[in-house]
Amino acid sequence: GNSVTQMEGPVTLSEEAFLTINCTYTATGYPSLFWYVQYPGEGLQLLLKATKADDKGSNKGFEATYRKETTSFHLEKGSVQVSDSAVYFCALNAGNNRKLIWGLGTSLAVNP
Amino acid sequence: DTAVSQTPKYLVTQMGNDKSIKCEQNLGHDTMYWYKQDSKKFLKIMFSYNNKELIINETVPNRFSPKSPDKAHLNLHINSLELGDSAVYFCASSQAGLANTIYFGEGSWLTVV
Repeated sequence: GNSVTQMEGPVTLSEEAFLTINCTYTATGYPSLFWYVQYPGEGLQLLLKATKADDKGSNKGFEATYRKETTSFHLEKGSVQVSDSAVYFCALNAGNNRKLIWGLGTSLAVNP
Repeated sequence: DTAVSQTPKYLVTQMGNDKSIKCEQNLGHDTMYWYKQDSKKFLKIMFSYNNKELIINETVPNRFSPKSPDKAHLNLHINSLELGDSAVYFCASSQAGLANTIYFGEGSWLTVV
């Protein structure tokens, strides 16, 4: 079946450090891939997405590339800020029952 | 103008009580969802409605009953609340489609004592 595996947290970084949060997936067909972010006390919101192989999604300095050969969609940011402290969720939609498949979430804390 | 709004935001109640959470979206979407998030941030879909029709009904105790009076509203009623029901419940909506974004409400923090 379809599944998403993302690296466990928590991840703690200093401001301006480089961030990578790994996400790999298993899916039939050609899923769409997403990163959602949840800031403290809020609901989830879309950070970026990619709908086909080799697409790169980007937003707020974050990037992720849809790699079909490695079934991965790793999230990266070159220089994190304290305001990036949040929980990040990788997700895929393969069309089965219109259900999004979610990773477990990775908590990121950025210290000044 | 809030896109997906849910009420109440905080709810503290005793075991055995019945409570409801209401949700409304003003985005014109055809699909609405209820998610449950536990203390470890694990996100689990409970229900989904498309044009008022139930399309996803995960393994959820039948004490939980969703109701969609129209496309813009999806309410969640919980009977006989238990301690394990304590969680954050998120309402969300989207337009049906593989690549479409899901928009979440701010959550309803339910604490059962």
